[in-house]
Amino acid sequence: QVQLVQSASELKKPGASVKVSCKASGYTFTTYAMHWVRHAPGQGLEWMGWISTNTGNPTYAQGFTGRFVFSLDTSVSTAYLQISSLKAEDTAVYYCAKVRGWPNDAFDIWGQGTMVTVSS
Amino acid sequence: EIVLTQSPGTLSLSPGERATLSCRASQSVRSNYLAWYQQKPGQAPRLLIYGASSRATGIPDRFSGSGSGTDFTLTISRLEPEDFAVYYCQQYGSSPRTFGQGTKVEIK
Repeated sequence: QVQLVQSASELKKPGASVKVSCKASGYTFTTYAMHWVRHAPGQGLEWMGWISTNTGNPTYAQGFTGRFVFSLDTSVSTAYLQISSLKAEDTAVYYCAKVRGWPNDAFDIWGQGTMVTVSS
Repeated sequence: EIVLTQSPGTLSLSPGERATLSCRASQSVRSNYLAWYQQKPGQAPRLLIYGASSRATGIPDRFSGSGSGTDFTLTISRLEPEDFAVYYCQQYGSSPRTFGQGTKVEIK
């Protein structure tokens, strides 16, 4: 079946980097764009941006430029989110989500989420 | 940016009752590209409704979506025990796509 499996939870110190993976299975990876969503403790869902799995071109939402990088390895059907210079306020669950159809469609399949905790 | 305001914040109901959740947009949502998601503790969100009124694959028909323009509604006709969760609306017609703050449906 179609699924997205994300990497395990991470505990990082401020200033470090983290790379979250999102492995797709059950469909042709390059057919559907991949989006990223942040869910910080006590906050709502926040859209971070998306990456074209066809061209590799990323688009970042305001507030997620500079330290956030979306990338792909199409040979293993995996999308990545890298966050550098981590801050305490980056503590959140990060989700990848696949679109239903066109690149900016609704999200029909979500990864299980990766908890990133930033603490000294 | 389109701001989505969900109401009420919390809905306390009993199993078998009808739930009506509202999502109001600060400006018209292009082509009614409005989705509803259900999220349970420790789980990822699940798509229920897209295009304001189309049920996603495998979603029971007790879930229905309606509305257009700036006012949208998610209705759960008869609450089942597994329906107690947080519900989010999302607009995906304009960038940045935005989410509402959520409505928690809790057992009364």
